[in-house]
Amino acid sequence: EAQVTQNPRYLITVTGKKLTVTCSQNMNHEYMSWYRQDPGLGLRQIYYSMNVEVTDKGDVPEGYKVSRKEKRNFPLILESPSPNQTSLYFCASSLSTGVLRELFFGEGSRLTVL
Amino acid sequence: AQKITQTQPGMFVQEKEAVTLDCTYDTSDPSYGLFWYKQPSSGEMIFLIYQGSYDQQNATEGRYSLNFQKARKSANLVISASQLGDSAMYFCAMREGNRDDKIIFGKGTRLHILP
Repeated sequence: EAQVTQNPRYLITVTGKKLTVTCSQNMNHEYMSWYRQDPGLGLRQIYYSMNVEVTDKGDVPEGYKVSRKEKRNFPLILESPSPNQTSLYFCASSLSTGVLRELFFGEGSRLTVL
Repeated sequence: AQKITQTQPGMFVQEKEAVTLDCTYDTSDPSYGLFWYKQPSSGEMIFLIYQGSYDQQNATEGRYSLNFQKARKSANLVISASQLGDSAMYFCAMREGNRDDKIIFGKGTRLHILP
């Protein structure tokens, strides 16, 4: 089944404790992206990757890191989480044929930083 | 300035009525794409419909259609014969130009279908 898989789905952590949210897609997609969703703000892009070893900042990259060492995986790293990073996080991917027509989303990861 | 504007934070509609969710966008690029996504209470993001700026006809997918008015820069989603299962948050989004990197989302409209 074609899918984007995120883990963990739910996480409660404390300020400063490094964490990684994994994202994996099995569709051989070139493009992957991370979004955060906050009430009243919609989805905001954190980082994206057009292909392996190619990553770039979105609109709200502060406090986050990413890597793209393999095509299928695009982990989101919070080196020192803070309470303002409490949010619902989505990973998304697309084939990226030059004119993107659909983003496939993971199920979301709800993160709480105390 | 916001690139994608959804002016209706919430809407209540009677079951079986048609629903129009508003979306206006702002871009100077002649080539762009517009998307609608549905997010039910379970949280997942479900792709509904896509409209390219050069597409000659308005996009349709089952009960969903996109009322694309290029001159007004609006891309309203129309849901015909609404159902209780249509209750959800709806997001309008735009791909600006032929760049695949940035997809910008609006703040969403929460739709409630009343029995």
